[in-house]
This record gives sequence, structure tokens and C-alpha cells, in this order.
Amino acid sequence: GAVVSQHPSRVICKSGTSVKIECRSLDFQATTMFWYRQFPKKSLMLMATSNEGSKATYEQGVEKDKFLINHASLTLSTLTVTSAHPEDSSFYICSARDGASNQPQHFGDGTRLSIL
Amino acid sequence: DAKTTQPPSMDCAEGRAANLPCNHSTISGNEYVYWYRQIHSQGPQYIIHGLKNNETNEMASLIITEDRKSSTLILPHATLRDTAVYYCIVRPFLGGGADGLTFGKGTHLIIQP
Repeated sequence: GAVVSQHPSRVICKSGTSVKIECRSLDFQATTMFWYRQFPKKSLMLMATSNEGSKATYEQGVEKDKFLINHASLTLSTLTVTSAHPEDSSFYICSARDGASNQPQHFGDGTRLSIL
Repeated sequence: DAKTTQPPSMDCAEGRAANLPCNHSTISGNEYVYWYRQIHSQGPQYIIHGLKNNETNEMASLIITEDRKSSTLILPHATLRDTAVYYCIVRPFLGGGADGLTFGKGTHLIIQP
């Protein structure tokens, strides 16, 4: 089945550090990947849609200069949290879709980011 | 995307069938019903989806009412590993440029030993 790998699974770093999270589709090509954020005891919230070879589309209220997304190949999207602060601490999850838009999205295992 | 309503929590005995309801009374003709689940501290896992016919796979069955205003996810023989938050999501067949998923609060299913 479709497998999405996310790395790293956990990051702890100091305030002001930039953190890069990778999302890979292992056995399929994904022209579109999605980035979500989940705060404790809350549902996932879509942050942005990552499009291979073009600019990402950000949801309202998500700062594009804060959360840099690069989708340079059909199997890799990266999310960089720039100059991270404690309020950026969250569970970041990516997903990718294999094929047509009615096909299900497959999710990575998430990255727990903790900013001290 | 159409709004969905799910009970916040449910209990089910291990080995019994777990039936999780979802109301989506404003669903449009081109919207599919998707079910995902999220086990604590993991990414969501796709379970099943359907348009109007009942569907079954190795994980679960999906029963959609004839008017498509509600559906039920059935886990036929629940195990402790099925304890998770279950999300019912409806979205169009053609999502266009903005087809990320909108997650509600879901149902926290607790399987009791």
C-alpha cells in the first residue's frame, strides 16, 4: 500500500532555531502533498498544500515566511519552521495522495516539535 | 466541504462489533464519505471511503444510507488496538486546488477488555 515517511519523528531545539521536516512518498509519486498541524487534544488543521514544481498554497492565517515549503521532486516535500519559538511547538503531519483527487490521502507518522 | 457530526466518545467490548455513526445531512451529490482514524501520537490512518454504495475492505465496512445523509463505520471484531479517534470526513470528488482534508473532533472509540 501507499507509504508516507516523515523525518524526524521528534525534535527538541532552542528558540530561534530553524527546523526542517521531510515528507517522502516511498512507493508512489505525489504531485501534491499536504502539511497539517495538531495541538494537544485538538484536531488536525491544514496548514498548506505543497505542489511539485510550484509554490505552496497556504491556508488563511498561516505565515508563508514562517513555514517554508519546498516540493522539489515527486517524492519529497519539506517544511522548514524558521526561527522557531515556543508557540510553534506542535505535532506536524504530512500527507500525500496517490493518483486522482478522489483517492485517499496517506499520512506520515508525524513530527513532534518542541521549542525550548 | 459538508459538515459532519459524530458522537464525542463511544465504548465497545473487545471482540464485539463497533458501530460508529456519522451525520452529514448537507452532503452534496459529488461528495465522498471518508473515514480515518488516529491512534495516540501517530498520523491518521485511512480506513475506507464510499460515495453511495456500501463498501467493505479488510479493515471495516461502510454503510451509507440511501439518502446519503448519514453513514456508519463498522469494525466487525474490535480489538484493543482499535482504540483511537475516528474521523468521518466528506469532500468533493474533484477538490480543485484546495483539497486538503478538514478534520472535525471525531469519535474517541475506547475498546474495553
